[in-house]
Amino acid sequence: QKEVEQNSGPLSVPEGAIASLNCTYSDRGSQSFFWYRQYSGKSPELIMFIYSNGDKEDGRFTAQLNKASQYVSLLIRDSQPSDSATYLCAVNMIANQGGKLIFGQGTELSVKP
Amino acid sequence: ETGVTQSPTHLIKTRGQQVTLRCSSQSGHNTVSWYQQALGQGPQFIFQYYREEENGRGNFPPRFSGLQFPNYSSELNVNALELDDSALYLCASSYGTGQYSPLHFGNGTRLTVT
Repeated sequence: QKEVEQNSGPLSVPEGAIASLNCTYSDRGSQSFFWYRQYSGKSPELIMFIYSNGDKEDGRFTAQLNKASQYVSLLIRDSQPSDSATYLCAVNMIANQGGKLIFGQGTELSVKP
Repeated sequence: ETGVTQSPTHLIKTRGQQVTLRCSSQSGHNTVSWYQQALGQGPQFIFQYYREEENGRGNFPPRFSGLQFPNYSSELNVNALELDDSALYLCASSYGTGQYSPLHFGNGTRLTVT
């Protein structure tokens, strides 16, 4: 079992719709969770981070964390073609090594005009 | 605020050669982490440097080594290059080593080994 799993996609949604990206992780003791966006040929860009159970909203983005079920999700409201990218879920599993993130393989999102 | 900068942008090397990649951390950040990203995969943690010492290492052989300098910049060295080392190498900086310090990535160095 992979430590961090994501559906590879591609996930295709029409412009204006809600895109839902999901991620599960194996280490129940994990405390911090991150979503990165990566355009083709570019480096990952931090979108959201979440540490507590529940929802965290930032503009059109909402991160959701459920530690009991060991999943974290990212919702993108009013999806735009510019949101088309690969979305990487990352989890920190070691308390004093915050730089050691375990990444999923990413979900490719395509927003159709 | 200056972001994370990496050099060079692209590099082509021959199998068996050695390579050095460089990274300048974002202003205010004192910790540097290095990642390798193969095509179609998520980044994989190589190691992290804090206070000029290695603070955690991923599943990479000893021919991957690094340095951090007093100004917090860092180098990644790879000896005896193999074809499988072809990848995007990412440097990320953060403040401290705690798990609540988000990483900010540089633009990466694309390494091709022929």
